[in-house]
Amino acid sequence: KQEVTQIPAALSVPEGENLVLNCSFTDSAIYNLQWFRQDPGKGLTSLLLIQSSQREQTSGRLNASLDKSSGRSTLYIAASQPGDSATYLCAGFFGGSQGNLIFGKGTKLSVKP
Amino acid sequence: NAGVTQTPKFQVLKTGQSMTLQCAQDMNHEYMSWYRQDPGMGLRLIHYSVGAGITDQGEVPNGYNVSRSTTEDFPLRLLSAAPSQTSVYFCASRLSGTGGHGYTFGSGTRLTVV
Repeated sequence: KQEVTQIPAALSVPEGENLVLNCSFTDSAIYNLQWFRQDPGKGLTSLLLIQSSQREQTSGRLNASLDKSSGRSTLYIAASQPGDSATYLCAGFFGGSQGNLIFGKGTKLSVKP
Repeated sequence: NAGVTQTPKFQVLKTGQSMTLQCAQDMNHEYMSWYRQDPGMGLRLIHYSVGAGITDQGEVPNGYNVSRSTTEDFPLRLLSAAPSQTSVYFCASRLSGTGGHGYTFGSGTRLTVV
């Protein structure tokens, strides 16, 4: 069974700190992995999509990596800000025309001023 | 704006009532799906569709029906609401294929069944 795990479930850091969020998956035959941000009571906002052929994707202060062989992805946030406080979800797509996203349960990030 | 539109945003139902959650996308995406999000459970797939006229069950399909008569619309029907269906429901879409295309999510419907 394909599973996606995010540890820790919650993380609190002071403003300005660089931080890494972790995501692991059980099936190395992953097609792509997508990172989302979810603010309280809101929907999912796509942050980055990494294809299996890529190792990294960058958008502003965010950098996501994908290592298929180890079954890991990381989301690096540089110079964190209070506005980065949210729940971050990773989701793996394991392929096929009927393939579906498998979600981790998320990491709730709190950036303290 | 292009994207996935869900209506209503909030809904309160009494046990046994029926209702339809609407989902529409204007990106010509073949694939559409419904997820529910519950505390401690994450997002779980309810039903999905790979194109008009084709639907299939996901991880938690019981108590829900879907149909796909057009590419744009993918409604989710609750035939007889139960308190266990209290949740936040998200609709998502993507282009078809075996990869390379990310998912776009709607803003969600918060459903409470009393």
